[in-house]
Amino acid sequence: SYELTQPLSVSVALGQTARITCGGNNIGNKWVHWYQQKPGQAPVLVIYRNNNRPSGIPERFSGSNSGNTATLTISRAQAGDEADYFCQVWDSSAGVFGGGTKLTVL
Amino acid sequence: EVQLVDSGGGLIQPGGSLRLSCAASGFSVSGNYMSWVRQAPGKGLEWVSVIYSGGNTYYADSVKGRFTISRDNSQNTLYLQMNSLRAEDAAVYYCARSAYGDYFGHWGQGTLVTVSS
Repeated sequence: SYELTQPLSVSVALGQTARITCGGNNIGNKWVHWYQQKPGQAPVLVIYRNNNRPSGIPERFSGSNSGNTATLTISRAQAGDEADYFCQVWDSSAGVFGGGTKLTVL
Repeated sequence: EVQLVDSGGGLIQPGGSLRLSCAASGFSVSGNYMSWVRQAPGKGLEWVSVIYSGGNTYYADSVKGRFTISRDNSQNTLYLQMNSLRAEDAAVYYCARSAYGDYFGHWGQGTLVTVSS
């Protein structure tokens, strides 16, 4: 079965740029989607199809995908960005999530 | 406005059965790919099952043969019938909509399933 690998945690200073990676075999050939989840809340889509932002998501959120790694980039990080982030793909009619990355804004 | 309301969770003994519901409004369940995603306490997201707009269904290996996804078009509601429940099935269960079959653009609020004797 297909697997996605994310770092357990990423820290970023307030106002700086955070990058969260999602590794998978030839993931560049798939569409990658990213979700933000805050404690006690349902996940929220922040990036779809590698690099598209849903309405209402700040331009500070961006994505890329190539080779074996997809990346979620959060520019000018704010305290409100502190959350868990999950990448997701589909593989052979099955949904696959990465293990999640806890983003801490210092 | 698109809305998904999850319900049906609760405390159930190992080996028991439970049916979750997801009432949809603002769109048609039958015209979308609808999934269930679960999250064990303190853990990450795990995809459970999907029903395509055409009716095909798929399951994670961990629930195959025990869980059944279905929908009632007249009630615009998605279901998850869970049988032979195990301790490891304990989680918050979310229904989620994939309008185009890939990303989950809308989520329910989740319903908690606790499996314990």
